[in-house]
Amino acid sequence: DAGVIQSPRHEVTEMGQEVTLRCKPISGHDYLFWYRQTMMRGLELLIYFNNNVPIDDSGMPEDRFSAKMPNASFSTLKIQPSEPRDSAVYFCASSPSTGLAHGELFFGEGSRLTVL
Amino acid sequence: GESVGLHLPTLSVQEGDNSIINCAYSNSASDYFIWYKQESGKGPQFIIDIRSNMDKRQGQRVTVLLNKTVKHLSLQIAATQPGDSAVYFCADDSGGYQKVTFGTGTKLQVIP
Repeated sequence: DAGVIQSPRHEVTEMGQEVTLRCKPISGHDYLFWYRQTMMRGLELLIYFNNNVPIDDSGMPEDRFSAKMPNASFSTLKIQPSEPRDSAVYFCASSPSTGLAHGELFFGEGSRLTVL
Repeated sequence: GESVGLHLPTLSVQEGDNSIINCAYSNSASDYFIWYKQESGKGPQFIIDIRSNMDKRQGQRVTVLLNKTVKHLSLQIAATQPGDSAVYFCADDSGGYQKVTFGTGTKLQVIP
């Protein structure tokens, strides 16, 4: 079975540019999460969706960050304008609402973002 | 000034020995605890979980122990193998249902 698919795997951009990260969750999973991982702050939850609806975006650092989930099979995380301090690995994860342990998240392989 | 990254604690274990990775948590209201493994260049992967009404749970080669009195969680890996080399994170639901909050991680190095 295909896992969570993220793209791009790597992105290098210049400060001020717009960055769009993409995620395809596992089919049938009702929850989708965006995490950011840095050496300074570890793994931080940015936002999560349930049935395509944003539930909690309290982790989004500032207005430059936005996330959407137009349908059950696709989500985007956008940074505009990007800054060097946004450099990190961004993970998307999905989870079913029932059946499995409620903390079992299935992560993608991440998108490594470098902002110069 | 120059930023300093998190210094991950590192545990070095001889292949075949048992490993014990420890984690302290702060929120006494946490109900659910999870261990994740992250290999280099990959996303975290679920290993095992435990609810607050239990003090021990066993999986395949792994055991999680929960001591609520001192807010301590541990992951025991039996007969550690080179493939166990990774960063291990404890996590809990202190942020709310389905909102998994991760600790800082411990790096496990297996010496062949």
